[in-house]
Amino acid sequence: KQEVTQIPAALSVPEGENLVLNCSFTDSAIYNLQWFRQDPGKGLTSLLLIQSSQREQTSGRLNASLDKSSGRSTLYIAASQPGDSATYLCAVGGGADGLTFGKGTHLIIQP
Amino acid sequence: EAQVTQNPRYLITVTGKKLTVTCSQNMNHEYMSWYRQDPGLGLRQIYYSMNVEVTDKGDVPEGYKVSRKEKRNFPLILESPSPNQTSLYFCASSFLSGTTKNIQYFGAGTRLSVL
Repeated sequence: KQEVTQIPAALSVPEGENLVLNCSFTDSAIYNLQWFRQDPGKGLTSLLLIQSSQREQTSGRLNASLDKSSGRSTLYIAASQPGDSATYLCAVGGGADGLTFGKGTHLIIQP
Repeated sequence: EAQVTQNPRYLITVTGKKLTVTCSQNMNHEYMSWYRQDPGLGLRQIYYSMNVEVTDKGDVPEGYKVSRKEKRNFPLILESPSPNQTSLYFCASSFLSGTTKNIQYFGAGTRLSVL
């Protein structure tokens, strides 16, 4: 059964820093990997989706990489801002079987 | 505006009283799914549907029912709710093909308390 682990569970950094969130998964036979953002009391917002054949995706200050063979993905956030404070969730799988989620990294950006 | 709409957003009920949480999407997505989110356990899939009249169990289907009579709607039914079904529920949808396939769009969530 697929298991997804996110490290660290929580992170607090000053505004302006570049940071990396880590995600690992146990079964490399994935369909895709997605990074989501969840704000308190709200739903999930898809940030980036990497298909299994891709190595990385970029959107603005966000860059996500995927190494299927090692079962790892990283989310890189450049020049962090207080508005980036949220919980970031990594999810693998996709297709008809849905997603297996990690438990998230709770990120706080200090002004 | 493209969206997934869940209702109600908050619900308090008592053990054994049947309830339905509705989910509707306006993006003509084939795939719809229900998840529950619990502290320390993360998000887990309850049921999913690949198209009208096609549904299948996820990781935690016990105590839940779903139906997919129309493409846009995917209600979650709790026939006899119990306190262990107190949770935050999310509905999601996506295309199964095309350039944006598998990007899942989530509703705002339904917070359910069963007393």
